[in-house]
Amino acid sequence: QVQLVQSGAEVKKPGASVKVSCKASGYTFTGYYMHWVRQAPGQGLEWMGWINPNNGGTHYAQKFQGRFTMTTDTSISTAYMDLSGLTSDDTAVFYCARGSLIGGTTLAPEYWGEGTLVTVSS
Amino acid sequence: EIVLTQSPGTLSLSPGERATLSCRASQSVINNYLAWYQQKPGQAPRLLIYGASTRATGIPDRFSGSGSGTDFTLTISRLEPEDFAVYYCQQYVDSRPFGQGTKVEIK
Repeated sequence: QVQLVQSGAEVKKPGASVKVSCKASGYTFTGYYMHWVRQAPGQGLEWMGWINPNNGGTHYAQKFQGRFTMTTDTSISTAYMDLSGLTSDDTAVFYCARGSLIGGTTLAPEYWGEGTLVTVSS
Repeated sequence: EIVLTQSPGTLSLSPGERATLSCRASQSVINNYLAWYQQKPGQAPRLLIYGASTRATGIPDRFSGSGSGTDFTLTISRLEPEDFAVYYCQQYVDSRPFGQGTKVEIK
């Protein structure tokens, strides 16, 4: 069965960086896009971007261009989200979600990680 | 960029009642690639509907989606206790925006 398992909660100081991982299993990792979604406390969902694990190609939402970087390690079927220059406004839960089949059917994200809470506090 | 606006913000209903949630797009949704998600506190979103009207795997048939172009609706025919949650719509191609959510709460 498809599973996305994310790394644990993080507490960071302002100005620091955080790297969240998302380990995929139960499917061919390089066959599907991976998305990242942010949810600030008590707020709605914000799509951040996608990565193509097959070739490393990325597309970032305009709001998240600059400080946000997505990468993958295909040898361990893991996607990463790196956010730098953290401020208190970055306190949020970050989700990974499997997207469409690469080069194939457009799919809504059906499989999601459990979320990783990143808290930014001095 | 497309913007999705959900209404109402909060829906107060009793178990057994019918819930009707709206998602309106500022421009036509590409190929009706419109999804609905349910989210409960402390949980990841759960895909309910994709392609505006197709139920995802394992979703009960009391959930139905309809609409095309710029106006979409999620209907829960008879609310069960586990259906009280927040619901989001999303265009899942291109800029992939989410609506701001509708909370369905117990009256």
